[in-house]
This record gives sequence, structure tokens and C-alpha cells, in this order.
Amino acid sequence: DAKTTQPTSMDCAEGRAANLPCNHSTISGNEYVYWYRQIHSQGPQYIIHGLKNNETNEMASLIITEDRKSSTLILPHATLRDTAVYYCIVRVANAGNNRKLIWGLGTSLAVNP
Amino acid sequence: GAGVSQSPRYKVAKRGQDVALRCDPISGHVSLFWYQQALGQGPEFLTYFQNEAQLDKSGLPSDRFFAERPEGSVSTLKIQRTQQEDSAVYLCASSYRQLDTIYFGEGSWLTVV
Repeated sequence: DAKTTQPTSMDCAEGRAANLPCNHSTISGNEYVYWYRQIHSQGPQYIIHGLKNNETNEMASLIITEDRKSSTLILPHATLRDTAVYYCIVRVANAGNNRKLIWGLGTSLAVNP
Repeated sequence: GAGVSQSPRYKVAKRGQDVALRCDPISGHVSLFWYQQALGQGPEFLTYFQNEAQLDKSGLPSDRFFAERPEGSVSTLKIQRTQQEDSAVYLCASSYRQLDTIYFGEGSWLTVV
């Protein structure tokens, strides 16, 4: 079973920030939080990952709470091309156990004009 | 190429037919993964290779599924005597090393009729 829970769907206006929450209350100290997205008919696309510090790259920002039990992916200025299913995944950081990414159903984000 | 390449992109097979799906990982990537994604679901792990060694095949649903990576680069997923429940997207992914970020291909869409 997936170790994360996400809202089934969200809407966002084009040009506004999209904030996608994820709960991972049973996360262990050696598990990373990964975010991928999947645009219709395409393979999953890596977005960002983090362990305990907030992270930012050219695509998004990742905010992880101090207790690490939840996180938020932020798309600062959503565009129509950001419409996709967003998956939050926890992944153990030691060899031998991190081969499988356990995927939930993700959040279907609709960016509206 | 810059990304993970999969072929064929789309395949329609008659029930009972054998199919072979090819994956070209990112050059230099040691780790290679196969996932299966049913419609409306998140991807599910099938098998994992480190170079040519298949270290984990716990996700293969039956002995009709077979994967190989004989020279540690290109991999083939073979499904024998296909059945309708095999209809899914088959995703290949690779990472430089086991603990690194995993990058996915666009998938091979298999429909069994």
C-alpha cells in the first residue's frame, strides 16, 4: 500500500500558485519524499525530491514540515501545461529496499484558463 | 538520446500472442526498472536490474512475464500467451545508480483483444 495520501483532485487558475498537499505520517527518518507528475498519455516526469529541508528547482518548490509528516508541492505560476496527475511518493534511502516506488492514485490537477 | 526510450509505443495483440517490449535506458544508467500501469491507477513495480543482473522480479504477475537485459543496457520485457488482463501501459525507467533519481520513458501501451 502507498504510504502517502493525497486529495483526489484540485483546481487552479492559470498564473496562480498551485499548492498540492501530501500526507506521509508514517515516514521514516531515512525516507525521501519524491514528486512525479504524469501528463495524459505520457510517462511519469520527475519533479523534485527532499529529505527534510525545503527544496526548490526550476519546476517547483517542495516544503516539508518539521515533523516530516506532510509536505506541499508548489508550482509558483501554474500554466495549462501543468494539468496532470501529481504523485507524492516516499522512498527509502538505503540500497536493497528502495527499488520499488509505491504509487498511490495521486492528485489530478486541472489548471483552468 | 537524452531520455529513456521505449518501443513500440503502441501494440495491439491478439489473445494468446507473444509480445516483446523494448527499453533503451539513459546512457550509463546502471539501474533499470519495469512498471505496469493499469488505466486510472498508479504504476506498479514489476522488476529491477542492476547492469545485467535481475535482482528483483517480485512484481512479475505470472510466469508468462519475462524480462532480460543481457548486456546491461537495452532491456526487453516479454509477455507470452497474452491475456486481456495484460492490457496496460508498460513503463521502463532507469537511474544512474540504485539510490539516484529514477527517470521514466513514455511507456508502451499494450492492448490485448
